[in-house]
Amino acid sequence: AQSVTQLDSQVPVFEEAPVELRCNYSSSVSVYLFWYVQYPNQGLQLLLKYLSGSTLVKGINGFEAEFNKSQTSFHLRKPSVHISDTAEYFCAVSGNSGGSNYKLTFGKGTLLTVNP
Amino acid sequence: NAGVTQTPKFQVLKTGQSMTLQCAQDMNHEYMSWYRQDPGMGLRLIHYSVGAGITDQGEVPNGYNVSRSTTEDFPLRLLSAAPSQTSVYFCASSLREGSGYEQYFGPGTRLTVT
Repeated sequence: AQSVTQLDSQVPVFEEAPVELRCNYSSSVSVYLFWYVQYPNQGLQLLLKYLSGSTLVKGINGFEAEFNKSQTSFHLRKPSVHISDTAEYFCAVSGNSGGSNYKLTFGKGTLLTVNP
Repeated sequence: NAGVTQTPKFQVLKTGQSMTLQCAQDMNHEYMSWYRQDPGMGLRLIHYSVGAGITDQGEVPNGYNVSRSTTEDFPLRLLSAAPSQTSVYFCASSLREGSGYEQYFGPGTRLTVT
């Protein structure tokens, strides 16, 4: 079984400031990791994912995340945010060894609010 | 491609009523799933299907039924609605029940049970 902890439920920042949204996971097996974004009154959209290889993953809209196996973390970063980045962000994990390990487990979400 | 579509967008039910939330996808995805989203809880898996005729329970299946007669459709039935089922429901699909495959989400159905 896997679990995901998003350490901040809300993150307010000013426009053009950098931001980091933190995600830690626990799992007894090797994992795949995801970040999804949900804009107000919409469904979820994939931002980026880590499957294997380079631990620094680049996604859409200038976001990137770094997989750190020793710290079991997958923090999301953006060097300069825009008002349009205001949304809720979800970290998710699944195992990669088949069966029930394929299920996606979501964190509780981080609401990013970008202020002018 | 329309992607994943859900109907209705909004629904108000009285306690004890039943209804079906519709979900359809036109991407020929094998894997479909239903989640509920509650404030501060993230998304929790209700039921999922790995192909037509095959369904299984997720984390919070009680009070819900599903069936998968075609690849395209995956309806969610509430048998006897309860206030605890007030939530936003999302349907998702992906190529396969595999963690490397992106899940595509519908726009959601906001359900209120009074």
